[in-house]
Amino acid sequence: SQTIHQWPATLVQPVGSPLSLECTVEGTSNPNLYWYRQAAGRGLQLLFYSVGIGQISSEVPQNLSASRPQDRQFILSSKKLLLSDSGFYLCARSGGPNEKLFFGSGTQLSVL
Amino acid sequence: GENVEQHPSTLSVQEGDSAVIKCTYSDSASNYFPWYKQELGKGPQLIIDIRSNVGEKKDQRIAVTLNKTAKHFSLHITETQPEDSAVYFCAAVGNNRLAFGKGNQVVVIP
Repeated sequence: SQTIHQWPATLVQPVGSPLSLECTVEGTSNPNLYWYRQAAGRGLQLLFYSVGIGQISSEVPQNLSASRPQDRQFILSSKKLLLSDSGFYLCARSGGPNEKLFFGSGTQLSVL
Repeated sequence: GENVEQHPSTLSVQEGDSAVIKCTYSDSASNYFPWYKQELGKGPQLIIDIRSNVGEKKDQRIAVTLNKTAKHFSLHITETQPEDSAVYFCAAVGNNRLAFGKGNQVVVIP
C-alpha cells in the first residue's frame, strides 16, 4: 500500500517561533508531493508542490517554505510563525497531475 | 486557470434519502474529476473519480455523472446514512493542476 505519514497531528506554537512539519510516503517512488493548507471551515489551498528531489514550486507568496531532501520526504518550514499561519496542513501525493491524489491525516497548527 | 464551483454549500437530508452535489468547471480541456470526503479533523479521502471518456461511474451507494457539454459533474449518494455526514469536495484537472471546489457540508438527519 502507498502510505503517507504526517506528524505531528496537532501543534501549538507561539508567534515568532520556527516550524517544521514532515511528510514521508511509502510504497511509491518519484511521487509528486504537495502541501495544502485548510483554514477553519474553508477549502483547500495549494501551498507547494514538488515533482522531484530539490524541485519545489510555490503557489502563493507567504511566510512558509518547503524542501524535498529525499524522494519520499517533503518538509514544510517557517522561520517565524504568524497568527495567520494557523490552519490544517495536509500533505498529499500523486503519480502526476492527472493521477489520483491521496492525502495524509493532516496537522492542526495553532499559532498563539 | 481552472475554476471549480460547488453547489449547494450546505445540504441536509433525511436518513435514507438521496443527496446530490453539483460542481461546475470552466476549462473545457479538463479530463479528470475526483470527489473527496472529509470528516472532522481528518484528511480528505478520495471516494470516487471519473475521467472525461465516460459519463457515469458507480461504486455501491455512490455515483458520479459528468456532462462535458455543460461542464458540470455531480455526486449522487443514495440511501444516505449518518456516517455520510461530512464535507465533500469536488475537483477538476486543468492546466496540469487539480483545482478544488470550496466544499459542501452534508448533514444526514437520523
